[in-house]
Amino acid sequence: QVRLEESGPGLVRPSETLSLTCSVSGGSFTNYYWSWIRQPPGKGLEWIGYVYHDGGAIYNPSLKSRVTISVDTSRNQFSLNLRSMTAADTAIFYCVRVFHEFDAPAGATNWYYDLWGRGTLVSVSS
Amino acid sequence: QSILTQPPSVSAAPGQRVTISCSGTSSNIGQHYVSWYVQIPGTAPKLLIYDNNKRPSEIPERFSASKSGTSATLAITGLQTGDEADYYCAAWDSRLNGLFGTGTKVIVL
Repeated sequence: QVRLEESGPGLVRPSETLSLTCSVSGGSFTNYYWSWIRQPPGKGLEWIGYVYHDGGAIYNPSLKSRVTISVDTSRNQFSLNLRSMTAADTAIFYCVRVFHEFDAPAGATNWYYDLWGRGTLVSVSS
Repeated sequence: QSILTQPPSVSAAPGQRVTISCSGTSSNIGQHYVSWYVQIPGTAPKLLIYDNNKRPSEIPERFSASKSGTSATLAITGLQTGDEADYYCAAWDSRLNGLFGTGTKVIVL
């Protein structure tokens, strides 16, 4: 059974960089896309970006200038770096496996999140 | 940033049916597949519907979904107290963005 587990600091100082790692166990790491999604306390979900096993990444345009998502296939891990953190970045961060397929005849992208980590709360405070 | 619009809450008595709408545009729901997620407070979201209307094997038939044009709808029949949760729609956007709906709280009266 595939499991995803987030690890990283629970507290980050304003202006610093958040670094989180997601460890994937119990299944294939290659041939999937891997995403980070966040949820501020009491609010909705926000997609941060995804990385493919070859290292290619796409980011939410609203966060693109501050985000890097990288992958380490030798360890079955992917990581999130979010720079210049502010209080508005306080959130639960989830690592997620993504099903991604392009339906060429329909010109449509089939995209859904089929496995989620438990999430880790990151607070930004001095 | 583009978002998918859902009603903040819907409610019904046990045993009844509720529907949740998800409104987007031609660059997301109008072109790409829709998925739905359920989140019980304090836990991670879970996949409820994929490919616009398919259920993972562990999801009961009481949950169904459809898509028409730039909108999608989730329906829950035979409402149970355990269905009280937050529900989110999601879709890819052609502007290279993974969008979520604003979320809907289902209240069982």
